[in-house]
Amino acid sequence: AQTVTQSQPEMSVQEAETVTLSCTYDTSESNYYLFWYKQPPSRQMILVIRQEAYKQQNATENRFSVNFQKAAKSFSLKISDSQLGDTAMYFCAFMDGAGSYQLTFGKGTKLSVIP
Amino acid sequence: SAVISQKPSRDICQRGTSLTIQCQVDSQVTMMFWYRQQPGQSLTLIATANQGSEATYESGFVIDKFPISRPNLTFSTLTVSNMSPEDSSIYLCSISAGLHYEQYFGPGTRLTVT
Repeated sequence: AQTVTQSQPEMSVQEAETVTLSCTYDTSESNYYLFWYKQPPSRQMILVIRQEAYKQQNATENRFSVNFQKAAKSFSLKISDSQLGDTAMYFCAFMDGAGSYQLTFGKGTKLSVIP
Repeated sequence: SAVISQKPSRDICQRGTSLTIQCQVDSQVTMMFWYRQQPGQSLTLIATANQGSEATYESGFVIDKFPISRPNLTFSTLTVSNMSPEDSSIYLCSISAGLHYEQYFGPGTRLTVT
């Protein structure tokens, strides 16, 4: 079974600064997908970014980018130019490529952006 | 992207009663999922609900406690039966869509059992 570990329960960052959230995972699969989800206090889960394991290039979505290290099984999220609206719980998630389409989530990191 | 709605958004229920949560999608989807998020915790998958087949439950969740219906490609319900305070959680539905079957979530139902 896959496991996803987020070792930082809480983090804070000054507005306009950059912050990196860590995620490691354990799997024996070679084909899989990794995701970062954001859950603001309103509780709506929002997909932030996606990475396919077969792609070496790190995914980028505007101010959000990932550092995907497949050999190290590491998948960190970098948020640049942090904004107050980035305050939320961030969950790292794993999905195997074998067809179950099920997500395994980490425990989450609570990010606070300080004005 | 699809719009996913859930009803009710929140409810307070007495122990021993049941609550049915509805999940409506504005487009047809094959795969839907139900999750539980206990206070301050991450998401745990309850079951996968594909149209035309019985729901598949994860370890620790049983059909008698969490019966699921999936009558068509746009709708599903999750019932939380014989509730106890331990069932107080946020319940979320999601759909699998997109190029790599990424999941998109409904707004969630916050359930409090007294």
